[in-house]
Amino acid sequence: EAAVTQSPRNKVAVTGGKVTLSCNQTNNHNNMYWYRQDTGHGLRLIHYSYGAGSTEKGDIPDGYKASRPSQENFSLILELATPSQTSVYFCASGAGISNERLFFGHGTKLSVL
Amino acid sequence: GMPVEQNPPALSLYEGADSGLRCNFSTTMKSVQWFQQNHRGRLITLFYLAQGTKENGRLKSTFNSKERYSTLHIKDAQLEDSGTYFCAAGGTGGYKVVFGSGTRLLVSP
Repeated sequence: EAAVTQSPRNKVAVTGGKVTLSCNQTNNHNNMYWYRQDTGHGLRLIHYSYGAGSTEKGDIPDGYKASRPSQENFSLILELATPSQTSVYFCASGAGISNERLFFGHGTKLSVL
Repeated sequence: GMPVEQNPPALSLYEGADSGLRCNFSTTMKSVQWFQQNHRGRLITLFYLAQGTKENGRLKSTFNSKERYSTLHIKDAQLEDSGTYFCAAGGTGGYKVVFGSGTRLLVSP
């Protein structure tokens, strides 16, 4: 089973503060993804990446930046956190071939007060 | 409409019952995954299909790309099957994977 590790597992932030969520995968997958999960919305794609140095906007990128400094690491950055960004965030990786299969991390619960 | 519609949004079963979940796609998809999200919030992969049918114990999933749907059947439901089930489909236009909104399943004694 693919290994995708997220940190931190829980985070409490203040409005206007900067938050960085980290994701590491050890399977040499090309693609990595950040989703958020909110009640009634399922999982929605924020940003994704095709490989080191690449970041792409997903369906709901506003208020978020992403960084892919290496094949293994993909970060999600909230420069000015807002209470509406309180959510559970999931990172996933995929091999990047056709018929993408995703492997998920455990999730990060973020509360912005 | 939504690219992936998942039904029903919620489902209650008694132990031992059989039932099915369905996802309909607004466009042709190349693959589908089914996940169970447990009480701890962890997403557990149940199936990945590019076509046809797969079975694993009491679970069976079918993906029909041409007819634009996928199903997940649960046989002899158990208490530990409770959770939220998601389908996620990959389309023909790149790597993006789109999720359904989930089915909350509650299995009661």
